[in-house]
Amino acid sequence: EVHLLESGGGLVQPGGSLRLSCAASGFTFSSYAMSWVRQAPGKGLEWVSVISGSGGRTNYADSVKGRFTISRDNSKNTLYLQMNSLRAEDTALYYCAKDRSTNWFFDFWGRGTLVTVSS
Amino acid sequence: DIQMTQSPSSLSASVGDRVTITCRASQTIASSLNWYQQKPGKAPNLLIYAASTLQSGVPSRFTGSGSATDFTLTISSLQPEDFATYYCQQSYTTPLTFGGGTKVEIK
Repeated sequence: EVHLLESGGGLVQPGGSLRLSCAASGFTFSSYAMSWVRQAPGKGLEWVSVISGSGGRTNYADSVKGRFTISRDNSKNTLYLQMNSLRAEDTALYYCAKDRSTNWFFDFWGRGTLVTVSS
Repeated sequence: DIQMTQSPSSLSASVGDRVTITCRASQTIASSLNWYQQKPGKAPNLLIYAASTLQSGVPSRFTGSGSATDFTLTISSLQPEDFATYYCQQSYTTPLTFGGGTKVEIK
């Protein structure tokens, strides 16, 4: 059974940093691209970033480009999101999501970890 | 970036009703359109991918159609567990983008 468990969220001041993790199990982690998708309170879904199965290719939403870095450790079956220069508008529930194949849509999601950026 | 526009943003319907939600892309995305259902406090759940392919385990009352820029999600007979918010998502190119959502409420 596929399982994705995010962690690392919390309260951080504007300009601060946070690193999110997503522990994966139940599938061959290195074979699948993974994404981060966020949802601000009461709002819709916003894709943040994707990384290929090998980790060699990444892509970002314009809203986080240059501030966030996606990475993965296939030996630990773990996905990461390093978030720097955080802004109030980054406040959201951050989900990690497994790509169904290499098609950039998501067949499994974690439960999310909440990031709150506030002074 | 490709903009995804869903309509309506919300609707009220009764159990047994046929419900249709539309999603329009700002440029052609071929059949690279996916639909998700999200219930309050839960993660999204993939319903349909590639415009019309039903994800494993999803009831057959859900159908998707369309291509290029115009897409539709239809629920043939609304069930109590279908009251939720539905999102479309294009997977044609990055940045991946979602529609604004359609909230289906009980009439």
